Amino acid sequence: EAGVAQSPRYKIIEKRQSVAFWCNPISGHATLYWYQQILGQGPKLLIQFQNNGVVDDSQLPKDRFSAERLKGVDSTLKIQPAKLEDSAVYLCASLERGNSPLHFGNGTRLTVT
Amino acid sequence: AQSVTQLDSQVPVFEEAPVELRCNYSSSVSVYLFWYVQYPNQGLQLLLKYLSGSTLVKGINGFEAEFNKSQTSFHLRKPSVHISDTAEYFCAVSDTGGFKTIFGAGTRLFVKA
Repeated sequence: EAGVAQSPRYKIIEKRQSVAFWCNPISGHATLYWYQQILGQGPKLLIQFQNNGVVDDSQLPKDRFSAERLKGVDSTLKIQPAKLEDSAVYLCASLERGNSPLHFGNGTRLTVT
Repeated sequence: AQSVTQLDSQVPVFEEAPVELRCNYSSSVSVYLFWYVQYPNQGLQLLLKYLSGSTLVKGINGFEAEFNKSQTSFHLRKPSVHISDTAEYFCAVSDTGGFKTIFGAGTRLFVKA
């Protein structure tokens, strides 16, 4: 089966600019997650979708971050405006069912200068 | 709410020596437990998982982990490591209801020749 696809792989922007990341989960996986991984830290959950509905976005900085999952398949995560502290790898993951492991994409490495 | 604590940020070890990476968790609900590995510039891959049943679980690449409910621990072990095991290892906990997965800060395993 095809894995979780993410693009772009790398992105460099200046602070106050906007950026968007795209994720296509494994076919049939209803649950999708976005994680932020700052260098030297573990992944931090930003938002969890079940189909096209938000299950948990308690850690999403909603003043600058937004995410959507139209039609319950692929998803986009947007940052506007970006800050220096947003520099991180943004990981997308999908889940087949509750007791399955997460399947991760290779991530998008964002550098904000 | 759940939390995960990985007790060692870095573990240097010589090739063919045994290794243990420690993980403690806290949760007020039933959980599933996972260990993931991350190689440079890649997403996370599943090493092993504990869902229920036998407290000793075996994973890929010769790794195993033991679930200890009384000590709320899920330590990862390998009897003899290889240079190729050099990577970042993450312990994770997922609630059995909403499937929200939380990660520890990670342990960097460095295998020396």
